[in-house]
Amino acid sequence: DAKTTQPNSMESNEEEPVHLPCNHSTISGTDYIHWYRQLPSQGPEYVIHGLTSNVNNRMASLAIAEDRKSSTLILHRATLRDAAVYYCILSGAGANSKLTFGKGITLSVRP
Amino acid sequence: GAVVSQHPSRVICKSGTSVKIECRSLDFQATTMFWYRQFPKQSLMLMATSNEGSKATYEQGVEKDKFLINHASLTLSTLTVTSAHPEDSSFYICSARDGPGWGDTQYFGPGTRLTVL
Repeated sequence: DAKTTQPNSMESNEEEPVHLPCNHSTISGTDYIHWYRQLPSQGPEYVIHGLTSNVNNRMASLAIAEDRKSSTLILHRATLRDAAVYYCILSGAGANSKLTFGKGITLSVRP
Repeated sequence: GAVVSQHPSRVICKSGTSVKIECRSLDFQATTMFWYRQFPKQSLMLMATSNEGSKATYEQGVEKDKFLINHASLTLSTLTVTSAHPEDSSFYICSARDGPGWGDTQYFGPGTRLTVL
């Protein structure tokens, strides 16, 4: 599976937008970009995923670069409950696809 | 929707005993389930992939005779840690996928904290 690169950590202020970057320069044409987040002592939670076009859902937005070598997860208004480790993961589609978790980025939210 | 449960949430056992962890997809049929392990301050490591009615596929370095996986139905997979030892103490997390589909999203359970004394 192609690898992703994320900063180790990021701080944000409550109620402000947060942009979490992810680089994936070796992405293949069939790789989906997934974002999951994990709060302490909990299982990961699905956030969003996309292939080529930008995606929006109730939790976040995913902006994908035109060359697909990078993407940004956007939390429009950070809350204290958004403090978590965010994982950017590439995965192919199909029966044999799987998720390989890296270290992720730890997001801290200041009140 | 897309809820995955695990039971138990926490278990403490003596060295040498076996522990079974259940993973259930509550509102969808999971063609594939995954088992992960997470040690403190580390990321999730995939242990094995199981498809309903088939033998599990284990990742390199994971002992299949120690970590027994059964995926008997489309909503239930179990992980049995046989003859557990203190080094098996970890956070075990399952996930389920209802794919194949667009992007094959996995939905994760809340995890099971295993402590082996």
